[in-house]
Amino acid sequence: DAKTTQPTSMDCAEGRAANLPCNHSTISGNEYVYWYRQIHSQGPQYIIHGLKNNETNEMASLIITEDRKSSTLILPHATLRDTAVYYCIVSHNTDKLIFGTGTRLQVFP
Amino acid sequence: EPEVTQTPSHQVTQMGQEVILRCVPISNHLYFYWYRQILGQKVEFLVSFYNNEISEKSEIFDDQFSVERPDGSNFTLKIRSTKLEDSAMYFCASSDQGRSNYGYTFGSGTRLTVV
Repeated sequence: DAKTTQPTSMDCAEGRAANLPCNHSTISGNEYVYWYRQIHSQGPQYIIHGLKNNETNEMASLIITEDRKSSTLILPHATLRDTAVYYCIVSHNTDKLIFGTGTRLQVFP
Repeated sequence: EPEVTQTPSHQVTQMGQEVILRCVPISNHLYFYWYRQILGQKVEFLVSFYNNEISEKSEIFDDQFSVERPDGSNFTLKIRSTKLEDSAMYFCASSDQGRSNYGYTFGSGTRLTVV
């Protein structure tokens, strides 16, 4: 079973920041937090991952709490093309990924 | 950005037939995976493959399934005798164990329809 808890769905206005929360209270010390998204039935797309520190790349920012029990994915300026299911996954980087049901993000005009 | 390539994009087969789904992982990756997603359901792990052998498999991956890396570039999933319930999207993925910034990279999938 997935070791994360995410809201089932969220809405966001185009151009605004989308903040997607994730709880992973049982995360172990050497497990990473990965974020993927899936648009329609396409293959999951890697967004970002982190271990302890906050991370930023061209797609998003990842904020991990100090106790590592939760994290937030931030899409700074959401567009309609960001409408997708977003998955938060905790895993060792040598291990398989276990997908939960994710958060369905709907970006509206 | 490097890609994982899957062929065919759509495969229709009759129940009981054998199918082979093909994948070309990213060239310097050493870990390979197959996942499947039945319509409307979660992405499910099937099998992981490293150093020319299966490293882990799920309960779904029974004797009807097999994987192979026949040469240095291809990674295949074979279903020996397809069933209606094998109809799903099948995704291949590869990983370099975190040495790059791309995490696990997934292909665009093969839609398998068993009739």
